[in-house]
Amino acid sequence: GESVGLHLPTLSVQEGDNSIINCAYSNSASDYFIWYKQESGKGPQFIIDIRSNMDKRQGQRVTVLLNKTVKHLSLQIAATQPGDSAVYFCAETGGTSYGKLTFGQGTILTVHP
Amino acid sequence: NAGVTQTPKFQVLKTGQSMTLQCAQDMNHEYMSWYRQDPGMGLRLIHYSVGAGITDQGEVPNGYNVSRSTTEDFPLRLLSAAPSQTSVYFCASSYRGLRDTQYFGPGTRLTVL
Repeated sequence: GESVGLHLPTLSVQEGDNSIINCAYSNSASDYFIWYKQESGKGPQFIIDIRSNMDKRQGQRVTVLLNKTVKHLSLQIAATQPGDSAVYFCAETGGTSYGKLTFGQGTILTVHP
Repeated sequence: NAGVTQTPKFQVLKTGQSMTLQCAQDMNHEYMSWYRQDPGMGLRLIHYSVGAGITDQGEVPNGYNVSRSTTEDFPLRLLSAAPSQTSVYFCASSYRGLRDTQYFGPGTRLTVL
């Protein structure tokens, strides 16, 4: 079936470094992608989204890149802080999955002071 | 606004028991959904609703029932609990649908013995 997955399950960085979290998706009809952050014991929190008619979108310290050719999504976090430590999920919807969000497995980001 | 609230936070059931997980939102959101989150896996959609009186199945609906009699509430019922339903359950809502920001509740941790 269609799925969204992550290349790296864990990522450790030093405070102040830039972080890049990757995600591969398989549904070529997906047209909307979202990144979520989930801290321990809490529900996922929206970070940033991107539609398929864009290849880059920037937020505050975060940038999402979309490469539709290879069905790849990435989240870049600038000047990573200890408070960024969390699990990051990508999710997608579109095409036959309309009305449903499909989540990836998640990447654990650990930021060392 | 309280946002999305879920009760209870923790629950232990015996196999075969039934129970209802409560979810409420006070943001007048039309779209609500239930997910389960298991270790090493992303969130999986159980059921969703695009408005009062309208529900539909997600990826893993078996063993669960939902109803949407009001805009605010979207309870999830476990008909006959099984150990495979041990998980963390998240409710989410958004104004109109998946292309609006999804707000997640804090989750209910359910253990079925």
